[in-house]
Amino acid sequence: GENVEQHPSTLSVQEGDSAVIKCTYSDSASNYFPWYKQELGKRPQLIIDIRSNVGEKKDQRIAVTLNKTAKHFSLHITETQPEDSAVYFCAASTSGTYKYIFGTGTRLKVLA
Amino acid sequence: EAQVTQNPRYLITVTGKKLTVTCSQNMNHEYMSWYRQDPGLGLRQIYYSMNVEVTDKGDVPEGYKVSRKEKRNFPLILESPSPNQTSLYFCASSPGSRSGEQYFGPGTRLTVT
Repeated sequence: GENVEQHPSTLSVQEGDSAVIKCTYSDSASNYFPWYKQELGKRPQLIIDIRSNVGEKKDQRIAVTLNKTAKHFSLHITETQPEDSAVYFCAASTSGTYKYIFGTGTRLKVLA
Repeated sequence: EAQVTQNPRYLITVTGKKLTVTCSQNMNHEYMSWYRQDPGLGLRQIYYSMNVEVTDKGDVPEGYKVSRKEKRNFPLILESPSPNQTSLYFCASSPGSRSGEQYFGPGTRLTVT
């Protein structure tokens, strides 16, 4: 069945460094790729998303890139801060289906 | 305040005792969904609904039922809970196809003994 693989499962970076989280999806029909951030004990919240008609999207310190050919998409966080520490989930979906496949999550720790 | 609410937030029950977890949204969203979150497995979709009376299976629907009789409510029913359904459950809603953002409820932690 459809699958989304997410790596790494844990990531530690020094404050101010960049962090990159990668996801690979299997369903070539997928065309919507959101990223969610989940702080400890809280609900997931959307931080950025990208649709298949663009290759990159930025929002301040956060960016997402998409390679449709390779079925890869990545989250890039620059100038990391302690408040970026959380679990990050990627997901893939196809417009109109509302079926979502999530990755297994990446626990990001930003060390002060 | 625009929100998704779930009740109860915490529930401990015994094997086989039917239970319902309620989910309600006040944003007039068409789309609603249920997920379970387990360590190392991420979020897995149980069921979703595109509109009233329209539901479909997600990745892990076995042992669960849903109904969507009103646009704002999407209850999750466990007819005969088993210990492997011990998990953290999230309800989510979304405006629909033009906006993919899902708004999650606060979560329900269920323990089945």
